[in-house]
Amino acid sequence: QQQVKQSPQSLIVQKGGISIINCAYENTAFDYFPWYQQFPGKGPALLIAIRPDVSEKKEGRFTISFNKSAKQFSLHIMDSQPGDSATYFCAASIRGGSNYKLTFGKGTLLTVNP
Amino acid sequence: GAGVSQSPSNKVTEKGKDVELRCDPISGHTALYWYRQSLGQGLEFLIYFQGNSAPDKSGLPSDRFSAERTGGSVSTLTIQRTQQEDSAVYLCASSFPGGGEAFFGQGTRLTVV
Repeated sequence: QQQVKQSPQSLIVQKGGISIINCAYENTAFDYFPWYQQFPGKGPALLIAIRPDVSEKKEGRFTISFNKSAKQFSLHIMDSQPGDSATYFCAASIRGGSNYKLTFGKGTLLTVNP
Repeated sequence: GAGVSQSPSNKVTEKGKDVELRCDPISGHTALYWYRQSLGQGLEFLIYFQGNSAPDKSGLPSDRFSAERTGGSVSTLTIQRTQQEDSAVYLCASSFPGGGEAFFGQGTRLTVV
């Protein structure tokens, strides 16, 4: 059972455009939703994260939008740059307790053309 | 060290041999994860350790895979009788208690020939 579904699998955007990646989750107990960025040959690194008590979080050009009722969240990259080309993973977990392992989506390969 | 350290960074082994992959988590992180990533694919969960709790082994693909965590710190992932389909990058991550940001190592690229 895939608990976090991510789309699209791949995305090509022109420089300066907006990149949008979507995720949907099933477990309503999830209360932490991070996005990870992975460059080739590197491990994933936390990009931005949100908790369900807010509907949006913005850090620079990166914004997470969160829709609790629809059980969906998305990453928006404004003014996309070639340096943003990477694989992006959404994830979800339950903070606290004894088992809060991160569950990842399958990833989106973003290519930003110059 | 400052980050999660994995060794070796690359490992080439012959089919049928056993391999051990090591992960040194960030000091103070009680949660430790192992993931497998095949070329161009997503992160496949393998095993999760949290403090003294029983590990969540639900992602281990077969009984050839095992992992341990000694003293709540260093972890070793062992693959016995390696097969070509085991070729992948094995990633380790750690985090503080209570969830939150997980920090990943650079991974071990395993090639079974």
